[in-house]
Amino acid sequence: EAGVTQFPSHSVIEKGQTVTLRCDPISGHDNLYWYRRVMGKEIKFLLHFVKESKQDESGMPNNRFLAERTGGTYSTLKVQPAELEDSGVYFCASSQAGGPSGANVLTFGAGSRLTVL
Amino acid sequence: AQKITQTQPGMFVQEKEAVTLDCTYDTSDPSYGLFWYKQPSSGEMIFLIYQGSYDQQNATEGRYSLNFQKARKSANLVISASQLGDSAMYFCAMREGHRGANSKLTFGKGITLSVRP
Repeated sequence: EAGVTQFPSHSVIEKGQTVTLRCDPISGHDNLYWYRRVMGKEIKFLLHFVKESKQDESGMPNNRFLAERTGGTYSTLKVQPAELEDSGVYFCASSQAGGPSGANVLTFGAGSRLTVL
Repeated sequence: AQKITQTQPGMFVQEKEAVTLDCTYDTSDPSYGLFWYKQPSSGEMIFLIYQGSYDQQNATEGRYSLNFQKARKSANLVISASQLGDSAMYFCAMREGHRGANSKLTFGKGITLSVRP
């Protein structure tokens, strides 16, 4: 089966511009998560969708970040306007509810690297 | 307080030898899950192994095993017979809540492993 796909793999923008990151989860996975890793720091949770609904958005840094998952399939994460501290790698992950082992293992994409100049 | 601690900044191991990557965690939830992910230079996060807090035996997956010491709150990853392809960054992560819960993962900072030929 196809894995989690993220686009673009790398984006370089100037401060104040807008960027939209896209994530295509594994088909049939209801859970979709966004995480971010800023250079040298831990991977931090941003938010969690169950189908098209936001289950937990406690990790979203501020209202410059907007995530959507229309139709419960792919998701977008928009940063508008981008600031220097937004630079980092944005990971998307998906999982089935419960999963075959009950551990709810997340499958991650390769990440979208965002550089804000 | 950090929930997941990975203090080893970088590890080196000779090919074909075993290596242990340390992870300690902190939680007051009696039900939790511990995960290890591998991130090679290509960027994707690859799931390696899972240990549930109520699992009686240490988890094993091929060359990977998890040395779970519940009283010490440690979940060290052991890689046996290291291969050059094991060179990567390794992340320990925890989910608090019952097995299969869809809650977020908390990650450590990661450990870089280099395998020498």
